[in-house]
Amino acid sequence: TQLLEQSPQFLSIQEGENLTVYCNSSSVFSSLQWYRQEPGEGPVLLVTVVTGGEVKKLKRLTFQFGDARKDSSLHITAAQPGDTGLYLCAGQGAQKLVFGQGTRLTINP
Amino acid sequence: GAVVSQHPSWVICKSGTSVKIECRSLDFQATTMFWYRQFPKQSLMLMATSNEGSKATYEQGVEKDKFLINHASLTLSTLTVTSAHPEDSSFYICSAHGRTSGNNEQFFGPGTRLTVL
Repeated sequence: TQLLEQSPQFLSIQEGENLTVYCNSSSVFSSLQWYRQEPGEGPVLLVTVVTGGEVKKLKRLTFQFGDARKDSSLHITAAQPGDTGLYLCAGQGAQKLVFGQGTRLTINP
Repeated sequence: GAVVSQHPSWVICKSGTSVKIECRSLDFQATTMFWYRQFPKQSLMLMATSNEGSKATYEQGVEKDKFLINHASLTLSTLTVTSAHPEDSSFYICSAHGRTSGNNEQFFGPGTRLTVL
């Protein structure tokens, strides 16, 4: 069974600080996706990483896929209250997505 | 592009009744649709995978006779919660994967909040 361990599960920081969310597994994934979910809504795809070592940037968000394609990180620079939400990583398995437990991020003004 | 809709967005029903939730891909053909449920403050749990024109594949522990899934066309899948009970109250989310979806990307619907009284 493929599992994704996401950490931390909860994070509350002040506006302007930096943070990193980690997603780790013992399994190799063909690709890994990061989603953000607001309360009462479905997840919205932020990025897909495919190649080992790949780095993608989305404004203040930087996503990295591990060289072995078993782990990934999301780094947010100068966090803003609008970044508050549930962040989910999901690895592409043979037939389905394998989701991490999620990181509930709160940015305090 | 790649918009997925769900209907209804929320529903309240009495215990013992059945509820149908629709999932539609609005601007692409979904060869595969997935149904998830999500409890408060938790991640998504895959319930079943449905391919157009064939029977759904259910995850371990999900009762196929209770959660009926139909994927009759390339743009519509339905989930029917039969004889609903309060413990079935949850947030149900569908996603769709199309022929042209790169990297096996799934596009999620906005979710349906089910409350069983």
